[in-house]
Amino acid sequence: NAGVTQTPKFQVLKTGQSMTLQCAQDMNHEYMSWYRQDPGMGLRLIHYSVGAGITDQGEVPNGYNVSRSTTEDFPLRLLSAAPSQTSVYFCASGKAGGLAYEQYFGPGTRLTVT
Amino acid sequence: GQQLNQSPQSMFIQEGEDVSMNCTSSSIFNTWLWYKQEPGEGPVLLIALYKAGELTSNGRLTAQFGITRKDSFLNISASIPSDVGIYFCAGHFFSGNTPLVFGKGTRLSVIA
Repeated sequence: NAGVTQTPKFQVLKTGQSMTLQCAQDMNHEYMSWYRQDPGMGLRLIHYSVGAGITDQGEVPNGYNVSRSTTEDFPLRLLSAAPSQTSVYFCASGKAGGLAYEQYFGPGTRLTVT
Repeated sequence: GQQLNQSPQSMFIQEGEDVSMNCTSSSIFNTWLWYKQEPGEGPVLLIALYKAGELTSNGRLTAQFGITRKDSFLNISASIPSDVGIYFCAGHFFSGNTPLVFGKGTRLSVIA
């Protein structure tokens, strides 16, 4: 049982490049979410999903796309990277309803955009 | 939207001291969670609280769900160097599948 896994661990992009941050969980959790963490800003919600085929925007969705075709995976896409997207990105999962709010986090992806 | 005020922002304490931090909100919550994040890692769930007035312990950590449902407290007794990290509170008001609201964290440093 690996929990929540994220790849890659580190990534450097040039402005304008695109990439996908991968997130997978093996706990059969319906609820998955993406956060970014910047110094002094805490965790800010980007997008979340309450099940396959359902996604919704969080606090800071601009510049990011998501889709949820399976329960296990919730990739985050940057279509045209900008320096303002330099951050640490965390994926989290939990059960929808009931104890959804006990979210479990992955180890993070550290992204630098130059 | 809902916001959580977490205090203090940072603290420096001597090893062996007790620590107290809190989280307050202008809105009521049904659930309070406390997470710890160590350098270079993702946040790890420490304690979950589901009832107003509830007091729950996890080793040297004790957390309480405030009676008003607008606040929560985390205490760490007899701190040790491995307590270093950022502690986040998170709250949830059950309304459909609304997401968790996170505080900005308390950065704890322990001086040996």
